[in-house]
Amino acid sequence: AQRVTQPEKLLSVFKGAPVELKCNYSYSGSPELFWYVQYSRQRLQLLLRHISRESIKGFTADLNKGETSFHLKKPFAQEEDSAMYYCALKGTSGSRLTFGEGTQLTVNP
Amino acid sequence: DGGITQSPKYLFRKEGQNVTLSCEQNLNHDAMYWYRQDPGQGLRLIYYSQIVNDFQKGDIAEGYSVSREKKESFPLTVTSAQKNPTAFYLCASRFGTSGSSNEQFFGPGTRLTVL
Repeated sequence: AQRVTQPEKLLSVFKGAPVELKCNYSYSGSPELFWYVQYSRQRLQLLLRHISRESIKGFTADLNKGETSFHLKKPFAQEEDSAMYYCALKGTSGSRLTFGEGTQLTVNP
Repeated sequence: DGGITQSPKYLFRKEGQNVTLSCEQNLNHDAMYWYRQDPGQGLRLIYYSQIVNDFQKGDIAEGYSVSREKKESFPLTVTSAQKNPTAFYLCASRFGTSGSSNEQFFGPGTRLTVL
């Protein structure tokens, strides 16, 4: 079975502060991890995926297989980062994603 | 935006009635998915289909049914057997085979309220 846990439902930081959204997973094989974001009144969209090792909008995420984590980080948060963030896992076979519960990030001015 | 459309945006239903939510995509995507989004519970998979005329149950399929007669369309029926149908429903689609890492693209959602 595969499971994704996001321990923080709500996270509030000030503009310019570092931000880290936590994601832990449980999966027996080699997973693929994703972060999806949903801005207010917009569709859910992909932010980044671990296999690309990319930085999008200043966000990065490193897959730590030892700790089974895929935390999302940004060194200096901006007000436009305020959104709902979902961590998701895809197993080695099949196409389905398992999503975490989501973290609502608020960046205050 | 565009590519994946869901209709209607808002839907009201009386208890005991079945209702069908529409999902259409013109992206030539192979796989399509239905999720239910509830506050504090994230997205939960209801049904998914990887090819036409085939679909699989997700984690919370009870009280729901789907069909995939055309590649472009994946309608979801919420039946009267669904105990707590009031929710926000998201449809998604994805290009490629099951093993690929292609991202899922999401529709704008349908908010269903049972009166």
